[in-house]
Amino acid sequence: QITLKESGPTLVKPTQTLTLTCTFSGFSLSTSGVGVGWIRQPPGKALEWLALIYWDDDKCYSPSLKSRLTITKDTSKNQVVLTMTNMDPVDTATYYCAHSPVNILATHFDYWGQGTLVTVSS
Amino acid sequence: EIVLTQSPATLSLSPGERATLSCRAGQSVRSQLAWYQQKPGQAPRLLIYDASNRATGIPARFSGSGSGTDFTLTISSLEPEDFAVYYCQQRSNSFTFGPGTKVDIK
Repeated sequence: QITLKESGPTLVKPTQTLTLTCTFSGFSLSTSGVGVGWIRQPPGKALEWLALIYWDDDKCYSPSLKSRLTITKDTSKNQVVLTMTNMDPVDTATYYCAHSPVNILATHFDYWGQGTLVTVSS
Repeated sequence: EIVLTQSPATLSLSPGERATLSCRAGQSVRSQLAWYQQKPGQAPRLLIYDASNRATGIPARFSGSGSGTDFTLTISSLEPEDFAVYYCQQRSNSFTFGPGTKVDIK
């Protein structure tokens, strides 16, 4: 049974760096054919993909946010960490992590965490 | 970045009716398209991947079709629990999601 759960601050100030942790169970990120991604959703708006890390430590980022994002993994802890620098009120959103089965490429997300709401405000 | 357009924005139907949702890509995404269902306060749920493959546990009333730039999600007979927002997502070039189609009760 695959589960994922996001954790991190609920409130950050503008210009600060956000660090979110995804803790998962039911799979290993050291096993080939696995990826974990981050997706966010501003209140009342659509989903936006942010980043994805593969089991082999290959990474990909949203082109529009690439300069602000870093994704890493700790396979021993079953965790994936996303950092986003220079936070702005427009970054207020629910942040989700999700599992992606990989067949050459990750193409979709089949298991999702419950999401964590991050508010950016002074 | 490949832009996805979904239509209609809102679909008002009654239980038992057929729902047809459209997703159009700005350029070919081959068959690398997925559909998700999202209910208020919940995470998205994968319905369809690779354009036409139902995800594990998804009822047969959900079906996906299309390739290239035009895709369709069909719900053959709406159940009360199907009223939700539906998103398409492509993976041919990076990942992008569409703006969503809300299926509400008429």
